[in-house]
Amino acid sequence: DAKTTQPNSMESNEEEPVHLPCNHSTISGTDYIHWYRQLPSQGPEYVIHGLTSNVNNRMASLAIAEDRKSSTLILHRATLRDAAVYYCILRAYTGANSKLTFGKGITLSVRP
Amino acid sequence: EPEVTQTPSHQVTQMGQEVILHCVPISNHLYFYWYRQILGQKVEFLVSFYNNEISEKSEIFDDQFSVERPDGSNFTLKIRSTKLEDSAMYFCASSEQAATNEKLFFGSGTQLSVL
Repeated sequence: DAKTTQPNSMESNEEEPVHLPCNHSTISGTDYIHWYRQLPSQGPEYVIHGLTSNVNNRMASLAIAEDRKSSTLILHRATLRDAAVYYCILRAYTGANSKLTFGKGITLSVRP
Repeated sequence: EPEVTQTPSHQVTQMGQEVILHCVPISNHLYFYWYRQILGQKVEFLVSFYNNEISEKSEIFDDQFSVERPDGSNFTLKIRSTKLEDSAMYFCASSEQAATNEKLFFGSGTQLSVL
């Protein structure tokens, strides 16, 4: 699987926007960029995914660089509940089931 | 929103005992997965399952592990003879399709403690 690189941690203030970066310089043309998050003591939770164009949903926005070698997850207004580990994952088709391979992710702390 | 249900939430067992972890995937999903997370470490893929067959398994998923879909709703992970190092949080996941743009839904996990 193509690899992603994320900072270990980031701090933000409540109600401010948060930009979580991810580098994936070896991405291939068919890899989708997925973001999941894991709240404390819970299972991973889908956040957003995209291929080439920027994407928005009710949770976040995903900005994808034109060359697709990096992306940024944007939380428009951080809340305390957004404190979690955020995983940037490239999902490649490998056969019958294209699994997700989790890295260490980035730990987001939100200050009140 | 529909969710993946895992039981029990906590399981304590003695080393060498067999354990079965239970999962009820989302009803119209066809693809099923087990992951585990040792405390403080990454979420690790164990196995994927489709059409009553294992599609892919990791090196962790050795002969001590097995999966089964015994009926139309349950998906189980069995560990035949547990070891201390099997202590971890085990997550079940499911998805409707296997496409790379498909999202996985995860359960809240079963914390397995092997004493």
